[in-house]
Amino acid sequence: EAQVTQNPRYLITVTGKKLTVTCSQNMNHEYMSWYRQDPGLGLRQIYYSMNVEVTDKGDVPEGYKVSRKEKRNFPLILESPSPNQTSLYFCASSLRGGEYEQYFGPGTRLTVT
Amino acid sequence: AQTVTQSQPEMSVQEAETVTLSCTYDTSESNYYLFWYKQPPSRQMILVIRQEAYKQQNATENRFSVNFQKAAKSFSLKISDSQLGDTAMYFCAFARTTSGTYKYIFGTGTRLKVLA
Repeated sequence: EAQVTQNPRYLITVTGKKLTVTCSQNMNHEYMSWYRQDPGLGLRQIYYSMNVEVTDKGDVPEGYKVSRKEKRNFPLILESPSPNQTSLYFCASSLRGGEYEQYFGPGTRLTVT
Repeated sequence: AQTVTQSQPEMSVQEAETVTLSCTYDTSESNYYLFWYKQPPSRQMILVIRQEAYKQQNATENRFSVNFQKAAKSFSLKISDSQLGDTAMYFCAFARTTSGTYKYIFGTGTRLKVLA
């Protein structure tokens, strides 16, 4: 089954404790992206990747890191999480970005206390 | 900077009726793509419909159609014969493509409730 998976689905952590949210797709897509969803703000793009070893900042990259060492994986790293990073996070992938449909993961609910 | 505006935070419609969700955007580019995504209570994001800016013909997918007005930078979604399963948050999104990279900007969403 074609899908985007994210882990964990739910995470409660404390300020400053490094964490990684994994994202994997099995559709051989070149384009992958991370978004955060906050009430009243919609989805905002954090980082995206056009292909392996090619990443770039979205609109809200501060406090986040990403890497794309393999085509299928695109982890999101929070080196020192803060309460303002409490949010719902989505990973998405598409064949090549732009006009192609994005397939979204199920979301990760992160709470930073 | 590109922006996407959805001015209707919440809407409701009777089952079987028609409803239109509005979306406006701001860009100086000539080549771009527009999308409507649906997010039901399950939180899963699902593509509803997409429109290429260079196409004048409005996109249609079954009960869903758009009214794309490029000069006015407007991209509204019409849902005909509304069904209970259409109850969801709807997001308008813009994809910038002319610079060689693909960045997406989403609106703040319209929460649609279909009433039985």
